[in-house]
Amino acid sequence: DTAVSQTPKYLVTQMGNDKSIKCEQNLGHDTMYWYKQDSKKFLKIMFSYNNKELIINETVPNRFSPKSPDKAHLNLHINSLELGDSAVYFCASSPGGGPRLFFGPGTRLTVL
Amino acid sequence: AQSVTQPDIHITVSEGASLELRCNYSYGATPYLFWYVQSPGQGLQLLLKYFSGDTLVQGIKGFEAEFKRSQSSFNLRKPSVHWSDAAEYFCAVGSNFGNEKLTFGTGTRLTIIP
Repeated sequence: DTAVSQTPKYLVTQMGNDKSIKCEQNLGHDTMYWYKQDSKKFLKIMFSYNNKELIINETVPNRFSPKSPDKAHLNLHINSLELGDSAVYFCASSPGGGPRLFFGPGTRLTVL
Repeated sequence: AQSVTQPDIHITVSEGASLELRCNYSYGATPYLFWYVQSPGQGLQLLLKYFSGDTLVQGIKGFEAEFKRSQSSFNLRKPSVHWSDAAEYFCAVGSNFGNEKLTFGTGTRLTIIP
């Protein structure tokens, strides 16, 4: 039973395209996150949602739009992809918004 | 603002040798501290955490870490490393104030030589 799952695992696409990454957690947590890990392995939070409500929105281009249809899902849609968007995107969840995070396996996005 | 510094970008140790990975943090209140491990091509797995109480915490895979408030440090240790410990290690700091973000260090890559 996968606690936090993401699809797809790999995503290769051309500049200018629009793509989505899906995330689901079956832990019953009410807070979910998107983190971006760049080529130097630096992890930075992008968004967090609590019970479908946006809580944290770091300085992220508005080409990135998270959507939470319910508290078990947090999807990330990216418009007009750019080369600099190439990274590994991690979904995570935590109980009650606390600091203990459970991470998904990551989605490696490559923009050509 | 909270921050985490991992001064060692890359460490190489021999299998069976002891290991210490350094982590220093900056945080205005009592911190919650974490060590995560990321194996190649994998997501992050929690090794151990410190919230309060005993400043020496035990984690999975034989790792331990010691919280030293006076030094703002939370160094990770293992008495004898195994080849399977080769991975990227991340220290992180956060709080238990609801919905606050977790801030990660830049990671330390650990290489094990036979």
